[in-house]
Amino acid sequence: ETGVTQTPRHLVMGMTNKKSLKCEQHLGHNAMYWYKQSAKKPLELMFVYSLEERVENNSVPSRFSPECPNSSHLFLHLHTLQPEDSALYLCASSQFDGNTEAFFGQGTRLTVV
Amino acid sequence: DQQVKQNSPSLSVQEGRISILNCDYTNSMFDYFLWYKKYPAEGPTFLISISSIKDKNEDGRFTVFLNKSAKHLSLHIVPSQPGDSAVYFCAASANYGQNFVFGPGTRLSVLP
Repeated sequence: ETGVTQTPRHLVMGMTNKKSLKCEQHLGHNAMYWYKQSAKKPLELMFVYSLEERVENNSVPSRFSPECPNSSHLFLHLHTLQPEDSALYLCASSQFDGNTEAFFGQGTRLTVV
Repeated sequence: DQQVKQNSPSLSVQEGRISILNCDYTNSMFDYFLWYKKYPAEGPTFLISISSIKDKNEDGRFTVFLNKSAKHLSLHIVPSQPGDSAVYFCAASANYGQNFVFGPGTRLSVLP
């Protein structure tokens, strides 16, 4: 039990579909993160939310749209994705200003066909 | 059951000395390993990686050692600097990056 739960664990979607990834944490953290992990590449930070406000957006295409309705939930809305977007999408949470560890979810394996 | 373990939650080292952060794993199928570090108010960032075909990888002051028989890897920072103070995560994957499992992290404090 990592404390950070991601659903679904696996997702296959067509390029014209719209889907959402969900992340949930009940660790009392005030920051949540979306990462993309492609095969044989380092983890890429996509979005950072602190106190439900987006504080970082690393030049991510607009076909990825994050949403943080409260400090415990984070969504990644997907639409008109490309096959190269197939990857493992990881969510993490932490205390934003504290020198404490971040906890990662197990990820959603996304395949775009 | 944790597949990736970092048994030391924290470590303090004097500036200029060597920092050694340890990571143990249980899944013999893991073949690719990464270290990340996290500063306060930032997301974790990639530091260094190693694949199972090697037992050592160096990048400047950072060296990662892999002992496959012991299912153990370690990150050496030489010499340690105050700016290295952060939380360090070990991560492991099977099939070269298909799925990653993260350790809980070790907080390194480098004292001036």
